[in-house]
Amino acid sequence: SQQGEEDPQALSIQEGENATMNCSYKTSINNLQWYRQNSGRGLVHLILIRSNEREKHSGRLRVTLDTSKKSSSLLITASRAADTASYFCATNGNKLVFGAGTILRVKS
Amino acid sequence: DVKVTQSSRYLVKRTGEKVFLECVQDMDHENMFWYRQDPGLGLRLIYFSYDVKMKEKGDIPEGYSVSREKKERFSLILESASTNQTSMYLCASSQWDGNQPQHFGDGTRLSIL
Repeated sequence: SQQGEEDPQALSIQEGENATMNCSYKTSINNLQWYRQNSGRGLVHLILIRSNEREKHSGRLRVTLDTSKKSSSLLITASRAADTASYFCATNGNKLVFGAGTILRVKS
Repeated sequence: DVKVTQSSRYLVKRTGEKVFLECVQDMDHENMFWYRQDPGLGLRLIYFSYDVKMKEKGDIPEGYSVSREKKERFSLILESASTNQTSMYLCASSQWDGNQPQHFGDGTRLSIL
């Protein structure tokens, strides 16, 4: 069963713009993780935010977590064509539950 | 860097065959996982293992089995392949701590004809 649900399903932006993807979930969590998947490849871990954290940064990535609303967002600033990929949120601990993902296309 | 290696990128098999998908990780991780990925459904957990010879069913174990004889290797077995098992299969590993990320292989795209 999917716990994390990403929104939007697809996003198309110009290079240099910011991209925001949202994730909502249903039950309490230990942590929430974001992954990227390039076409035809495996998933790459981007960032993990624990349930007692509200915001986390990694380079051009910024993740927020609102446990009261059961939601998280991933912001990619100053996007590049190489950011074109699918992005997934995943909730919980060792047994991750993934959403269906957001397809991001960055046009150069 | 952690490396998770899946034995085949592409595989074509026939209905009824017994299919083996192999996965090896090089970071001494305790946990290993098998997922399948289908369009619009995200990743679904088939089986996972937290130790050698230990296995736990995931969300969709029917039609699959697994083997973990060595810590670094986790095999997924399709006992009698069917066309609805055509999918992308992803292997992952992680440390035992639930607050650690999973590391994925590049996947095996399996077609059952």
